[in-house]
Amino acid sequence: GEDVEQSLFLSVREGDSSVINCTYTDSSSTYLYWYKQEPGAGLQLLTYIFSNMDMKQDQRLTVLLNKKDKHLSLRIADTQTGDSAIYFCAESKGNTGNQFYFGTGTSLTVIP
Amino acid sequence: EAGVAQSPRYKIIEKRQSVAFWCNPISGHATLYWYQQILGQGPKLLIQFQNNGVVDDSQLPKDRFSAERLKGVDSTLKIQPAKLEDSAVYLCASSVGLAVTTDTQYFGPGTRLTVL
Repeated sequence: GEDVEQSLFLSVREGDSSVINCTYTDSSSTYLYWYKQEPGAGLQLLTYIFSNMDMKQDQRLTVLLNKKDKHLSLRIADTQTGDSAIYFCAESKGNTGNQFYFGTGTSLTVIP
Repeated sequence: EAGVAQSPRYKIIEKRQSVAFWCNPISGHATLYWYQQILGQGPKLLIQFQNNGVVDDSQLPKDRFSAERLKGVDSTLKIQPAKLEDSAVYLCASSVGLAVTTDTQYFGPGTRLTVL
């Protein structure tokens, strides 16, 4: 199936690290993504990882993929108040990756 | 570079009425997507166009929803007649080609629909 699940809420203090988790059920996923959605705005792609990789780092963002457990995480180092938003993981499947499924979203609140 | 434009930003209608949303993708982007995002949920893909052809509309409720992308640029999404459960934000996105690797989907701000 295409169930992509996330915990609903996460609160962290400014300067701490945030870890947002995601589980998916379909092992045929081609790529996995993290999107950020700020209030009243569209979704912004943060980063993505190919399904045969287990880690990707991009500045303050680290993506970890455990394909055996179908678990994806996004770590944000030195979390800032501007990081407060809803974070969605998403998976794409299909030969051309054109089947796209989003998770339920995790609302991150950064406390000053 | 101009982003994905959508209009209207907000729409309130009564059930059984009709409504249409408009999307103008980023210039040169061949692929256009319509998503439905119900409050508290992630976006759900309704339909995907490449140029003016439909690539995937498997999750589009075709008894009441329709979409077109004439001339392969702008697109309209229509709901006729609307139901209460159609209340959601309708997001449009575009990408250069198909959604693989670095072919990023760029999202518009969305149209928030409230059906009373």
